[in-house]
Amino acid sequence: KQEVTQIPAALSVPEGENLVLNCSFTDSAIYNLQWFRQDPGKGLTSLLLIQSSQREQTSGRLNASLDKSSGRSTLYIAASQPGDSATYLCAANNNDMRFGAGTRLTVKP
Amino acid sequence: GAVVSQHPSWVICKSGTSVKIECRSLDFQATTMFWYRQFPKQSLMLMATSNEGSKATYEQGVEKDKFLINHASLTLSTLTVTSAHPEDSSFYICSASWGQGGSYEQYFGPGTRLTVT
Repeated sequence: KQEVTQIPAALSVPEGENLVLNCSFTDSAIYNLQWFRQDPGKGLTSLLLIQSSQREQTSGRLNASLDKSSGRSTLYIAASQPGDSATYLCAANNNDMRFGAGTRLTVKP
Repeated sequence: GAVVSQHPSWVICKSGTSVKIECRSLDFQATTMFWYRQFPKQSLMLMATSNEGSKATYEQGVEKDKFLINHASLTLSTLTVTSAHPEDSSFYICSASWGQGGSYEQYFGPGTRLTVT
């Protein structure tokens, strides 16, 4: 059964810093890996989806990489802003989607 | 495109009653729908997968007689929590995909917060 781990569990940074969130998964036979943002009490906002054949995806200040063979993905956030404060979830998709516990990010003004 | 809605967005019910949550794909036909549960400060846990016209497949530990799932059409799935108890209070999120299997992207609804008093 797929297990997804996210490190760190929480992260607090000053505004403007670049940061990296880590995600690891145990079963590399994934179709894709997806990063989401979740604000408190809200649903999921999809950020980036990386297909198994891809190495990375970019959207604005966000860049996600995927190393399927080692079971790792990273989400890079450039020039962080207070509005980036949220919980970030990664999910590995085999025939169903398994989520990590998330990284709770706080960006201080 | 690929919008999924849920209704209601929040609901409060008394212990012992049943509550139904709807999940709709608004602009595509959803062959497969998924139901997740999220307890406070925890991640999403898959409860069940349903394919249109078929019985749902439940994850280990999820009581199928308590959490009734119906996927009667290509745009609607319902989750009924029967004889709800306070421990069923949670955030329930559905997702939908137009194909069956992991290669198809899932589109998530906004979630329904259930509080059982």
